[in-house]
Formats: sequence, C-alpha cells, structure tokens
Amino acid sequence: NAGVTQTPKFRILKIGQSMTLQCAQDMNHNYMYWYRQDPGMGLKLIYYSVGAGITDKGEVPNGYNVSRSTTEDFPLRLELAAPSQTSVYFCASSSPGLVSYEQYFGPGTRLTVT
Amino acid sequence: GQQLNQSPQSMFIQEGEDVSMNCTSSSIFNTWLWYKQDPGEGPVLLIALYKAGELTSNGRLTAQFGITRKDSFLNISASIPSDVGIYFCAGQRSTSNTGKLIFGQGTTLQVKP
Repeated sequence: NAGVTQTPKFRILKIGQSMTLQCAQDMNHNYMYWYRQDPGMGLKLIYYSVGAGITDKGEVPNGYNVSRSTTEDFPLRLELAAPSQTSVYFCASSSPGLVSYEQYFGPGTRLTVT
Repeated sequence: GQQLNQSPQSMFIQEGEDVSMNCTSSSIFNTWLWYKQDPGEGPVLLIALYKAGELTSNGRLTAQFGITRKDSFLNISASIPSDVGIYFCAGQRSTSNTGKLIFGQGTTLQVKP
C-alpha cells in the first residue's frame, strides 16, 4: 500500500503559467481533499470530493480547479499561476463511516511562483 | 473561515522534559484529532478522539477530548529528539458526511539533546 502519493515533489512556475498537481490514493477511500499550507500557518482547505464525479469548494478555492473522474485520482489544476499561490500543497483522503474524519496525507508538493 | 486556537505557538525544551499543548474553539466539536508533521513531510495522524472526556494514549503521547467539547489537550512525556516537528490539532464541527476538518495553526516543538 503506497497510501497517498503526490507528484511532483517540487515545482517552480512563472507567473501566468499553468500546471496540474497530481494526487492518487490506493486505499479505496471515497473522500479526498486538497489543502495549502503557508509558512507558520495551519492547513486551509481548497477543494474536496466525496466520490467520483462530485467535488465542492473549500475555504480558499479561488485560482484552482479540480476534477474527480475515478476513486483513486484527484488532480488540482492551477490555470494562471500567481505569486500568492506559492505554498506547500497537500492531498489527503479518508473513508466514510465512523473514522471518516481520520484523514491520511500525501508528502506534499512545494510550489514556487515567480 | 473558522480556525482553532492552538497554543503555544512554539516550544523549545530539553530532552527528557514533558510537553503540553492545547487547542480551543468557540464552537462545539464532535471529533478531535492530533497530527505531527516532520520537516518536509505531510502530517501523520497520532491520536483520534471521539467522545467528550475521552483520554487516549499512543506510546508517550496522551490526548484528551475536553469535557466542554470545545477543547483538546496533547501531552508528550519524556521528550526525545525525534519528537521535533509541528503538531496540529484538527476538529470536526458538525455531523456532515464530508469528513471536513478544521485545523489549528500548529505548535512547533524543538528538543535540545
């Protein structure tokens, strides 16, 4: 079991460029989440999904898009990168039921926009 | 959006000392979780609490779900250098079926050998 995997690990983008952050999980979890973590701050929810074909906005969705075509994958798209999107991005997943709140995180993608 | 108030923000302690940190909210939570994040890694779940007053241990770590349901505490006994990292509390505020969590700002722990 690889758990939650994220690629790439690091990326530098120029302002206005686009990219997709990949996230995959092999635990058959229905719920998946994208967070960003800024220095000295906690985790802020960008988007989440409760199953294939279902996505919803979190606390800070502006500038991002997501899709969920399979249970395993939940990519995050940045269309026009801005310096304010410089951050560490984490993907997480959880399973519905009694322990649905126990989220498991990937290793993160460190993104710099210059 | 709502965040949890986590304190202290940072701690610098001597190896062998005990550590206490807490998380408070103005709202009632149904679930409290504690995570640890090592440098350059993603958060790892340490302890999950599901009932008010619940006290749960994981090795040298002990966490409690506050009786008011508005706070939680994490204690680390006899700290060692590998305890270094950022500790996050997280809570589930409603009975919604999305599994969404609200996170504290984190407590950065440094341990001097």
